[in-house]
Amino acid sequence: KAGVTQTPRYLIKTRGQQVTLSCSPISGHRSVSWYQQTPGQGLQFLFEYFSETQRNKGNFPGRFSGRQFSNSRSEMNVSTLELGDSALYLCASSFPGMGGEETQYFGPGTRLLVL
Amino acid sequence: AQSVAQPEDQVNVAEGNPLTVKCTYSVSGNPYLFWYVQYPNRGLQFLLKYITGDNLVKGSYGFEAEFNKSQTSFHLKKPSALVSDSALYFCAVDNAGNMLTFGGGTRLMVKP
Repeated sequence: KAGVTQTPRYLIKTRGQQVTLSCSPISGHRSVSWYQQTPGQGLQFLFEYFSETQRNKGNFPGRFSGRQFSNSRSEMNVSTLELGDSALYLCASSFPGMGGEETQYFGPGTRLLVL
Repeated sequence: AQSVAQPEDQVNVAEGNPLTVKCTYSVSGNPYLFWYVQYPNRGLQFLLKYITGDNLVKGSYGFEAEFNKSQTSFHLKKPSALVSDSALYFCAVDNAGNMLTFGGGTRLMVKP
């Protein structure tokens, strides 16, 4: 089975711009979660989607948003980029467990640099 | 709220020696615990998880972890370290549904 894929792998933007990142889950996985990884804050949960609905959301400002399509592919969008948004953005997919017991499989990430 | 602590930023071990990477957690309810490894410029790779049952969990690449409920710990272990095990290791907990809370990570350095 193909793993989780994320596009693009690298991205350079300037402050004030917006960006859209894409994630294709493992075939058959219907839950997609997004995480931000920075040297200062570590790995932080952004949000999780299942059946095109956001089920969980982390503690991030409204500039961070996402969506999921009927084929389970997901996108996240960051508007009005700030320098602090520079990070590795990781997508993970899993079967739609409800209690946290399902394993999340991660993609290679999109490295975003905001200048 | 759930939290995970990895008390060591870096662990150094000689190749062939046993290794331990420490993790403690705080969570209400049943803890679902995970270990992931990250190699440079890569995403996270799943190693193993504890859901219920036997306190000793075996995972990929010879790694295992011991769940200790009384000490709220989930330490990662390997009997004989390889240079190729050098990487960044993350412990995580999830009891809210596909919403992992990660520790700060521990860099493992295995020297030949």
